Amino acid sequence: DAMVIQNPRYQVTQFGKPVTLSCSQTLNHNVMYWYQQKSSQAPKLLFHYYDKDFNNEADTPDNFQSRRPNTSFCFLDIRSPGLGDAAMYLCATSREGPESSYEQYFGPGTRLTVT
Amino acid sequence: AQTVTQSQPEMSVQEAETVTLSCTYDTSESDYYLFWYKQPPSRQMILVIRQEAYKQQNATENRFSVNFQKAAKSFSLKISDSQLGDAAMYFCAFNTDKLIFGTGTRLQVFP
Repeated sequence: DAMVIQNPRYQVTQFGKPVTLSCSQTLNHNVMYWYQQKSSQAPKLLFHYYDKDFNNEADTPDNFQSRRPNTSFCFLDIRSPGLGDAAMYLCATSREGPESSYEQYFGPGTRLTVT
Repeated sequence: AQTVTQSQPEMSVQEAETVTLSCTYDTSESDYYLFWYKQPPSRQMILVIRQEAYKQQNATENRFSVNFQKAAKSFSLKISDSQLGDAAMYFCAFNTDKLIFGTGTRLQVFP
C-alpha cells in the first residue's frame, strides 16, 4: 500500500545532541511537510518542500533544518535539541497541481524525547 | 489572517448515538478546501472527510457528514451511529496554500 513512513517511531536524544528524523513516501507526491505537534495541540507547520523548493515558516527556529535528497525522502535535522523540542514530529505529503484536492497524507509520527 | 476555530475542546457521545462537532473559519479566499482529520490516541492522523468550497452539496462518507455553510463560514462534522473506535481528537482544517488546523475536539465515546 502507498504510504508515508517515518523512522524511528520513538527517538531519545540528549540535550544539545544533534538528531535526524526521516520520512519516506511511496505516493510519489511532490510536496512534503514537517509538523511539530505537542501534547493535545494542533500540528504546527515547520517547513515544506514543493518539489525541490524549500519553504520555511517564519517562526520556525533556526535550530530546525530539513533536507530532501529526492522525491521519496525528507529529513528533519534538529541541530541542538532543547527540552522544549520534545514533541511528536509528523511528516505529511500532498500532490499539488492541476485538479489537486490539497489533501495531506500523514505518517505515524516520531515521538522525540530530550533528556 | 486565516483562522480555524473549534469551540468544543471536548465532547462525549454514547455508542450508537449522533454527535456534531463544530468548526468555524475565517478567510477572504473564495476557493478553498475544508477537511476533518481524526487522530486516535498514539495513532496516525487520517482524513475523515473533505469539502470543496465551490460545491454546495455537503460531503458524506458513510457515517460521517458535514454541514457546510459557506456564507456563515461554518463546517460542522456529524458522526452518526457512533462507535467506540470513533474516540479520537478531531481536527478541522482549512487549505488554500497551506493547511491551517483548529485546536481540536477530543471525542469520547461511551458504551
